[in-house]
Amino acid sequence: AQSVTQLGSHVSVSEGALVLLRCNYSSSVPPYLFWYVQYPNQGLQLLLKYTTGATLVKGINGFEAEFKKSETSFHLTKPSAHMSDAAEYFCAVSGGRGSTLGRLYFGRGTQLTVWP
Amino acid sequence: KAGVTQTPRYLIKTRGQQVTLSCSPISGHRSVSWYQQTPGQGLQFLFEYFSETQRNKGNFPGRFSGRQFSNSRSEMNVSTLELGDSALYLCASSRDLGLAGVGETQYFGPGTRLLVL
Repeated sequence: AQSVTQLGSHVSVSEGALVLLRCNYSSSVPPYLFWYVQYPNQGLQLLLKYTTGATLVKGINGFEAEFKKSETSFHLTKPSAHMSDAAEYFCAVSGGRGSTLGRLYFGRGTQLTVWP
Repeated sequence: KAGVTQTPRYLIKTRGQQVTLSCSPISGHRSVSWYQQTPGQGLQFLFEYFSETQRNKGNFPGRFSGRQFSNSRSEMNVSTLELGDSALYLCASSRDLGLAGVGETQYFGPGTRLLVL
């Protein structure tokens, strides 16, 4: 089965600093990888998605993620954090050998705090 | 285009009761998935429906059930509620263009927050 590990349940950065949220997935080919963001009392909003092709994926709100097959990683970055980025971020994977079709496998989430 | 809608947004029930949650997918989306989100267990997959058929089911007891209607709207039901069923229940829809949901983006609704007393 697919699995996702998010390193660091809490990340704190200062406004304007680099944001780096880490995600590793279990090895399977091909993986489809997603980052979602959840604001308080809301559902999940898609930030970006990797399917095939270019390994650097650009998403909304200035976020991007790089797919590294050799490291089975899909880390999320943003060059300059904004107060409005404070939220919980989830990495997810679907597809691939041993996975349940139609299902996303989520990591446990990383709570991002942005200090003024 | 309207997003995924879920009703009700908040619900308070007592142990032993049953509850029905509703989800309306994005227009044209044929697949609906349900997830339970709790602080302790994170996001857990409940089941997924496509064309009124349950295609996949997660590891939940039989008290959790669902269905999908011909207009792709979906409901989930929890019978004999337990305290541990308190959670945010999220519905997601996707287009599913014949690839059985592989790689499809799932779009989430705002969720229904259920509190069981």
